[in-house]
Amino acid sequence: EAGVAQSPRYKIIEKRQSVAFWCNPISGHATLYWYQQILGQGPKLLIQFQNNGVVDDSQLPKDRFSAERLKGVDSTLKIQPAKLEDSAVYLCASSPGLPETQYFGPGTRLLVL
Amino acid sequence: SQQGEEDPQALSIQEGENATMNCSYKTSINNLQWYRQNSGRGLVHLILIRSNEREKHSGRLRVTLDTSKKSSSLLITASRAADTASYFCATEFSGGYQKVTFGTGTKLQVIP
Repeated sequence: EAGVAQSPRYKIIEKRQSVAFWCNPISGHATLYWYQQILGQGPKLLIQFQNNGVVDDSQLPKDRFSAERLKGVDSTLKIQPAKLEDSAVYLCASSPGLPETQYFGPGTRLLVL
Repeated sequence: SQQGEEDPQALSIQEGENATMNCSYKTSINNLQWYRQNSGRGLVHLILIRSNEREKHSGRLRVTLDTSKKSSSLLITASRAADTASYFCATEFSGGYQKVTFGTGTKLQVIP
């Protein structure tokens, strides 16, 4: 079974630029999550999708971050414009339904200069 | 905000020794999970314990849960160098929809 795929793996941008991350969850998984993990900290949930709908985006900085999940499968997370404090690893995870076991992708490491 | 707080923040042991890390949380939960993250890699699910369970085993892992103290512990027995990683507890709140919140993590180093 293929795991959660993410791209790109690394991205370096200047502040105020925009960036987009892509995630392809495990086939058949209804729930998809985007996390932000700052160095030395635990993952922080940014947004959770159940199929096409948003279940929780309470910690998503909506003035600069946006996310969508097309047709209940792939998802993109966008930052526009980026700030220095957005430097982090962005993790995508999926689960069959309930979040009892989440399967994580390798993450995208973002550096904002 | 982070629901769980792991203790200690960092732990260094010799190969073959046991490693114990603790997680404390603030609100009632449905279940608690432990994840491992190797350097530069994604998180891997290790074990889940439900709120009505007190202890669970998986290979060299033993997890306990004390809901009265709102705490859990993860014991890794006979540690190996490959166990070197950060370990996170993740709690699923009870009530409302199923939301999982990760703790701050314990960084474990196993010295060969």
